[in-house]
Amino acid sequence: AQKITQTQPGMFVQEKEAVTLDCTYDTSDPSYGLFWYKQPSSGEMIFLIYQGSYDQQNATEGRYSLNFQKARKSANLVISASQLGDSAMYFCAMRDWGLTGGGNKLTFGTGTQLKVEL
Amino acid sequence: EAQVTQNPRYLITVTGKKLTVTCSQNMNHEYMSWYRQDPGLGLRQIYYSMNVEVTDKGDVPEGYKVSRKEKRNFPLILESPSPNQTSLYFCASSPPDHSPLHFGNGTRLTVT
Repeated sequence: AQKITQTQPGMFVQEKEAVTLDCTYDTSDPSYGLFWYKQPSSGEMIFLIYQGSYDQQNATEGRYSLNFQKARKSANLVISASQLGDSAMYFCAMRDWGLTGGGNKLTFGTGTQLKVEL
Repeated sequence: EAQVTQNPRYLITVTGKKLTVTCSQNMNHEYMSWYRQDPGLGLRQIYYSMNVEVTDKGDVPEGYKVSRKEKRNFPLILESPSPNQTSLYFCASSPPDHSPLHFGNGTRLTVT
């Protein structure tokens, strides 16, 4: 069964510093995708970044990058130059492309609450 | 604008009073699904639909019903709500490929 583990319930970072949010995953399917979503206090789910299991390069989207270490089954999110608006809950999620059904189901971690301080 | 629209955003109801949360997407996506979010548990899939008239149970389907009569709409029905269904609910849609899920803005349900 798929499993996503986020071991940091809460993190603090100073404005303009970089921060790494940890995510480890477990799946027996060799073909899968890893996603990070941001949930601000207003509640909506905002897609940030995607990494496919066969992608050779680590994904990057602006200030977001994904440190993908396949052998260690980790997919950490790195936010560079943190801003006050980055304060939010961050979820790591996984979807495998195997025959497990679920209609493109995402399996989510429990989230990390990030607070950016002045 | 491409979006998933859920209504209502907030709903307070009493135990046993049937309710429906609507979800509509304008992106012609085949896949639609419902998730609930609870503190410390992340988001868990309730039901999903791979196309019109095709629905199936997710991880936590008890107490919920869905229907998919049209491609764009995927309502979530609680026939007899109970307090343990107090939660934040999200509808999501996607095409049948590696694209990310598009989420609605959420419905915060309180059952007293």
